Formats: sequence, C-alpha cells, structure tokens
Amino acid sequence: EAQVTQNPRYLITVTGKKLTVTCSQNMNHEYMSWYRQDPGLGLRQIYYSMNVEVTDKGDVPEGYKVSRKEKRNFPLILESPSPNQTSLYFCASSLSIGGGDTQYFGPGTRLTVL
Amino acid sequence: GQNIDQPTEMTATEGAIVQINCTYQTSGFNGLFWYQQHAGEAPTFLSYNVLDGLEEKGRFSSFLSRSKGYSYLLLKELQMKDSASYLCAVRDNQAGTALIFGKGTTLSVSS
Repeated sequence: EAQVTQNPRYLITVTGKKLTVTCSQNMNHEYMSWYRQDPGLGLRQIYYSMNVEVTDKGDVPEGYKVSRKEKRNFPLILESPSPNQTSLYFCASSLSIGGGDTQYFGPGTRLTVL
Repeated sequence: GQNIDQPTEMTATEGAIVQINCTYQTSGFNGLFWYQQHAGEAPTFLSYNVLDGLEEKGRFSSFLSRSKGYSYLLLKELQMKDSASYLCAVRDNQAGTALIFGKGTTLSVSS
C-alpha cells in the first residue's frame, strides 16, 4: 500500500531532551516536507527536500534539523525541544513539485514538550 | 509575496449546498489544490485546478479564476461526515516549495 509513515504518533517529552521523528514513504517520491499545525495558524512548513542530500528551510525552521540521506526517509530532529514546539507535525511527500502532483501526508505526530 | 485567504469558519445544514471561497496572491501561480482534513487527522486530496473553470467530482466541485486570483470549493448534499477543515493550497513556481497553504476553513454540518 502506498503510504507515508511517521513515528512516533504521540510523544510527551521534556525541555532539552533531543528527539527524532521519523518519516518514510514507499512511493519513490522526490519531494518530502515537514509541517507543523497549530490552532489558528494552519499548516506551516518547517523544512523540505527536493531530493537526496538537498534540503531547504521552510517558513519556521528555527529549532529543527532534517536530513535526507536516502530517498525514502526524511527524519525531523529537535536537538533541544522547547514548549513552543508543542504541536501536531505532518510529514508529506510528492512525486515532484510540478503539475498536479499532489502531496500525500503521513498520519501526524502529536508532540508535547513539558 | 504570497497570500492565501479563506473564511475561518462556516456552518451549514445536512442536505444543503455550501461554497468555500479562497483568494490568493502569488508570483508564479501554477495550480490550486483543495484538501479535506478531519480533526486530528492528515489532510487528504480533494481536487486540483490549473485552468479556469469548474472541475466536478461527485458531490464536490472546484472552480478557478486565474485572472481574479479566486477559487471556490462547492459541496453539495452535505452530510455530517463533511464536517472538517478545508484547506486551499497554491502551487507557486517561484516559491521553491511544493505548496503554500491557507489557514483552512472549518465547516460544521448540523442535522
């Protein structure tokens, strides 16, 4: 089944404790992206990647890191999480960024930083 | 710069028709998407418009006017399960990223 998977789905952590949220897609998509979603603010892009070893900042990259060592995986790293990073996170992928290629979203990761 | 506007909330009754509007300003418009998102779940693709006109898909239709920077999503024969957020997203050639999302419109359908 074609899908984007994220792990963990739910995470409660404490300030300063490094964490990684994994994202994997099995559709051979070139493009992958991370978003956070907060009430009243909509989906905001954190980082995106056009292909392996190519990553770029989105609208809200501060406090986050990503890597794209393999085409299928795009982990999101919070080196020192803070309470303002409590949010619902979505990973997404698409074949390209052209034409009608839609983005497919993972199920989301709800992160709480105490 | 880019800007996408949608109403924050809308309410409607089961069986009715509702139109959700989206206006946008982008430098290099290259298509508009609508997504549906139920609370706490991932957005799912509804429709794509790149040329002017109406695209119909079952109970849902989407319209685009590029000259006006305007789109709408039309939902007919509303059902309770249509209660969700509807996200308008624009593809901008000059943005360097896949999609720019509006903040979404939360639709509540009552019986």
